[in-house]
Amino acid sequence: SQTIHQWPATLVQPVGSPLSLECTVEGTSNPNLYWYRQAAGRGLQLLFYSVGIGQISSEVPQNLSASRPQDRQFILSSKKLLLSDSGFYLCAWLRGESNTGELFFGEGSRLTVL
Amino acid sequence: GQSLEQPSEVTAVEGAIVQINCTYQTSGFYGLSWYQQHDGGAPTFLSYNGLDGLEETGRFSSFLSRSDSYGYLLLQELQMKDSASYFCAVRAGGGKVTFGTGTKLQVIP
Repeated sequence: SQTIHQWPATLVQPVGSPLSLECTVEGTSNPNLYWYRQAAGRGLQLLFYSVGIGQISSEVPQNLSASRPQDRQFILSSKKLLLSDSGFYLCAWLRGESNTGELFFGEGSRLTVL
Repeated sequence: GQSLEQPSEVTAVEGAIVQINCTYQTSGFYGLSWYQQHDGGAPTFLSYNGLDGLEETGRFSSFLSRSDSYGYLLLQELQMKDSASYFCAVRAGGGKVTFGTGTKLQVIP
């Protein structure tokens, strides 16, 4: 069966510090991978998505970046965090050839920037 | 780009039926999905429509009209545990999946 792991689950970081969130999918190959951010009480904002190794599409370039060094690994990074980067970060995967459109989400990473 | 609109809040009585609408604007439309999210948790998949018409999964049904760029989620026999946020999401070309603004459903006794 397929699983998705995301870490860390919770982190508190000062403004200007770096960030690295990691997401790994198991039990499938060549998935589409996604990073979303959700502010408290709001919707899911698409940040980045990837349809293959080294292929990254950016929706909100700002001060965040993403990388896909391996087929089933997706990393979200920042060199300098802003207060506005606080939120609930969700990684998700989708079968590239899926005909159901079903996204599978990780447990989420709750980031507070102080 | 893509945009999806949903009502922000809906309140319904336990045992009743509620419909949550979603209108979207997109290019390269593949399909419309629905997700449920309880407070503090990750979204979970409910239903998907790739073609026009109604899809039924237990108490949940979803409808799509591609010509109207419109869909809805229908929840029947509402239970207290159905209180949650519900999101529609559009899958477009190139693998992009964009979510709507979300509808907070409150089920009352």
